[in-house]
This record gives sequence, structure tokens and C-alpha cells, in this order.
Amino acid sequence: QVQLVESGGGVVQPGRSLRLSCAASGFIFRSSGLHWVRQAPGKGLQWVSVISHDGSNKYADSVKGRFIISRDNFKNTLYLQMNSLRAEDTAVYYCVRDTASDGGGHGFDVWGRGTMVTVSS
Amino acid sequence: EIVLTQSPAILSLSPGERATLSCRASQSVNVYLAWYQQKPGQAPRLLIYDASNRATGIPARFSGSGSGTDFTLTISSLEPEDLAVYYCQQRSAWPLTFGPGTKVGIK
Repeated sequence: QVQLVESGGGVVQPGRSLRLSCAASGFIFRSSGLHWVRQAPGKGLQWVSVISHDGSNKYADSVKGRFIISRDNFKNTLYLQMNSLRAEDTAVYYCVRDTASDGGGHGFDVWGRGTMVTVSS
Repeated sequence: EIVLTQSPAILSLSPGERATLSCRASQSVNVYLAWYQQKPGQAPRLLIYDASNRATGIPARFSGSGSGTDFTLTISSLEPEDLAVYYCQQRSAWPLTFGPGTKVGIK
């Protein structure tokens, strides 16, 4: 079945780095637009970044210059490299599939279960 | 950045009642608005896209309407399993933004 499984979360000190992964299955990964969306504890949803099928990407201002989104179409895996982490980056990070290959489609139709990132000293 | 506001923040209704949730955009998003449902402890789920189209597998009691800056999600007859937070999201301009959510509780 169509599935997204995130991994790589954990506890990290401020200023350090972490890389999240998202393994996809059950659909044509290389044709899909993919996003990262995060949710701080007890808070709402915040869009973080998108990568289209051809590798073009966009970022929220709050993470621009610190986070890097990438994909490996051979491994069917999405990544989020998070550098210079701050306390306000603490959240559950969801890997999400877009309905369109360029990431600007109708909506987010497949969600992973999320991976928790805690930035704390 | 397009800001979305949702009202009410909390809605408590009895099973069988009609729920009306509002989402307002700070500028026109045409019909490029989606609604998501997030049940406790779960990831969100796409309910409605392009303002009024139900996503695959979504029950007919969920419907969306609106265009421009004002949108509505209606649950025609509330079921106990509809207990959740509902978020709107605009897809008209980058960055994509979400509303703060409406928490629907069942009396």
C-alpha cells in the first residue's frame, strides 16, 4: 500500500545538525512532489519545504539557509538535512506527498506518521 | 505570506448536529484551499481540495464551499468519530500556509 515512513528524529543540542529520512513505497516516487510539514507540541501545522519531481525546491522563511531538502529516486527516499537547530525547531516532522509532481497540486494526500525532533541542551 | 484565520476555535456539538467551520484568507486564494482532519494522536488527513472537492474515501457528510477569501467546511450530521482538529490550508501562493485549526468536540 501507499506508505511514507519517517526516521531520524531524536534529541539534539541547539546549534547541532540532524538528518531526517522518509522511505516511500506503493507509488511512483520519482514522479511525486514531496513536502515536509512540522507540528510543534500542542500547536498547529507548519509547512517547511517542498521538492518537486525534478528536484526544484522551496523553503519556509523560518528554515531557509539552515535546512536542505533532497531526494534519492533510486532509494525512494526523501531527506531533510537540518543544520543550526534551534529550540523553536522542536516538532513532529511529517513527510507528505503532494497530488502533483511539482509540489503545487490540490493537496497533501499521503502523510507519514511523523518523527519527533527535540532541540534542547 | 497569506494568513488564514479559522473560527470558531472550539466547537462542541451533539451527534447528529450540523457543524459549520469557517476559514478566512488575508487575500484571495481563488479556490485553492484544502481542508484536513487531524484526530488525536494521528497524522492529518486530506478531506477537501480546491475548496469543494471531497478527497478519495471521504464520507459525503463532509462538504466544502467558498472562493476568494471566505470558505466553509460543513459536517452535515456529526458522528462521534469526527472528534478532531480541522485545518484549512491555502495553496495559492508560496509559502503554503495553514490556519490555526478548529477543535471539534462531541457532547
